[in-house]
Amino acid sequence: DQQVKQNSPSLSVQEGRISILNCDYTNSMFDYFLWYKKYPAEGPTFLISISSIKDKNEDGRFTVFLNKSAKHLSLHIVPSQPGDSAVYFCAASALVNTGNQFYFGTGTSLTVIP
Amino acid sequence: DSGVTQTPKHLITATGQRVTLRCSPRSGDLSVYWYQQSLDQGLQFLIQYYNGEERAKGNILERFSAQQFPDLHSELNLSSLELGDSALYFCASSVATGWEETQYFGPGTRLLVL
Repeated sequence: DQQVKQNSPSLSVQEGRISILNCDYTNSMFDYFLWYKKYPAEGPTFLISISSIKDKNEDGRFTVFLNKSAKHLSLHIVPSQPGDSAVYFCAASALVNTGNQFYFGTGTSLTVIP
Repeated sequence: DSGVTQTPKHLITATGQRVTLRCSPRSGDLSVYWYQQSLDQGLQFLIQYYNGEERAKGNILERFSAQQFPDLHSELNLSSLELGDSALYFCASSVATGWEETQYFGPGTRLLVL
């Protein structure tokens, strides 16, 4: 059962434009959400996060929006740069007993066209 | 560089064999997570250790086991290997476990079972 879904396997955007990556989740117990970026042959790199008590978090060109009622989060990259081309994973976590359970989406491959 | 190291980088073995994957967390991090990423799949959580103790279990097969040692490095043991175990195995670490926990990933070990 996929509790975190990224329904767009790929996205292409022109350099300088906005990239919007989407993520949906099903478990209302999730209280912390993260975005990771992954280049080929490397591990995922932490990008930005948001807790369930907020609806927006910004870090430079990256902004994450959380809509709890819709169980939806999105990552906005403005302006997009060719170096942003990578696979982006969203993740959600919930405290379970003594530890955190993390659930990852299947990723969206972003290509920024120069 | 996340500060998390994993060895070996690549591993090729045969069905029925046993292998050990090693992970060293970032300096100061007490929590270690193991994930499996199969082709076109998201990261599947396997198991979490915190300061030497098992804290959470995900979809880990009985043929797989892990432990975290007093120096906080962790090993994932995979036995009676099957073709379907071929995947990327990632280790991630974090300072603690709890609210707003962020994980930092190693570069992964690519396992190929022939």
